[in-house]
Amino acid sequence: EAGVAQSPRYKIIEKRQSVAFWCNPISGHATLYWYQQILGQGPKLLIQFQNNGVVDDSQLPKDRFSAERLKGVDSTLKIQPAKLEDSAVYLCASSLDLARAGNTIYFGEGSWLTVV
Amino acid sequence: DAKTTQPPSMDCAEGRAANLPCNHSTISGNEYVYWYRQIHSQGPQYIIHGLKNNETNEMASLIITEDRKSSTLILPHATLRDTAVYYCIAQRGSSNTGKLIFGQGTTLQVKP
Repeated sequence: EAGVAQSPRYKIIEKRQSVAFWCNPISGHATLYWYQQILGQGPKLLIQFQNNGVVDDSQLPKDRFSAERLKGVDSTLKIQPAKLEDSAVYLCASSLDLARAGNTIYFGEGSWLTVV
Repeated sequence: DAKTTQPPSMDCAEGRAANLPCNHSTISGNEYVYWYRQIHSQGPQYIIHGLKNNETNEMASLIITEDRKSSTLILPHATLRDTAVYYCIAQRGSSNTGKLIFGQGTTLQVKP
């Protein structure tokens, strides 16, 4: 079974530039998550989708971050304009169904962003 | 979701069992205990989860105390490749979000 796919794996940009990350979840998974992990810290949830609807975006800095999952499968996370503090690993994850008890979430390898 | 407390770091000798503790004294009856690990430069990897009963799979065993206020993840024969950050998470089952809230985790160093 294919896992969660993310691209690009690494990206270096200058501050105030824009960047986009792409995620393809495990086939059949209705729930998709984007996490941000700053070096030395645990992952922090940015946004969560159920199919193509947003379930939770309370931690997403909406002035510069946006995410979409138009057809309920792939998702894109965008940062515009980037700040130095956005340097982090952006992790995409998916699960079968958020409402299922004992729901297991599977993570991708992450997209490493460095803002200089 | 209940808060979990883990020691920041632990050492284990290669070939020996690694026992990683987790305290979740405020856990509620419908919250599952999940364990993930993260090896440097990789995404978090699911290990095991449980509600009330002890669980075992090909990777590890999960021992949950009868009062559910603490649990222990056991790696029966630790190898150098088990060196990683281990996260214990309490997640509400059948919640309307199902999200995982990560803490700082325990850095396990397996030594030869």
